[in-house]
Amino acid sequence: GAGVSQTPSNKVTEKGKYVELRCDPISGHTALYWYRQSLGQGPEFLIYFQGTGAADDSGLPNDRFFAVRPEGSVSTLKIQRTERGDSAVYLCASSPTGAGSYEQYFGPGTRLTVT
Amino acid sequence: GDSVTQMEGPVTLSEEAFLTINCTYTATGYPSLFWYVQYPGEGLQLLLKATKADDKGSNKGFEATYRKETTSFHLEKGSVQVSDSAVYFCALLNSGYSTLTFGKGTMLLVSP
Repeated sequence: GAGVSQTPSNKVTEKGKYVELRCDPISGHTALYWYRQSLGQGPEFLIYFQGTGAADDSGLPNDRFFAVRPEGSVSTLKIQRTERGDSAVYLCASSPTGAGSYEQYFGPGTRLTVT
Repeated sequence: GDSVTQMEGPVTLSEEAFLTINCTYTATGYPSLFWYVQYPGEGLQLLLKATKADDKGSNKGFEATYRKETTSFHLEKGSVQVSDSAVYFCALLNSGYSTLTFGKGTMLLVSP
């Protein structure tokens, strides 16, 4: 079946602009995660949804970052007033359940470049 | 907080050589441990996992044993192939939490 998909695959934007990154999880997966992977680093947690609600947003770096999942399926990560330090690959993952579910299925990521 | 430390890469090997990638962790409680692999141009894939001490995870010829006494989860393969060239990430999931903590990744390059 279809895996996790993310769009766009690449996004180049100017400093100060607003961007939206989309994630389509595997159908039926209730848990959805966003991670950020900077060059030469491992993925770092941003936010976790269980259904429509954010169960844990402790990884969001500041209030310029926001994410929604209004219908419990597709999620959008929104970044306001982008900065060059936001340049990274943003990864989305989903799993059938939340806490205690071991396997997270990752999408290919969106590479964000802020110029 | 939780953390994972991996050996730095790249690790460069010839085909059929023995592979070890070291991974140690710091965590409270009793985490589950994972190895993920990222092939060029692809997303992260779960390679293997172990959920309690002394468990051995294995897949595609790769193995790793959960060693609580040394807080380690080293990845091994007896005979690597060119197709194993990828970046390997060690990760942990602490009990009661849902989010993974990753190491920085180790690039493996296998030449014919």
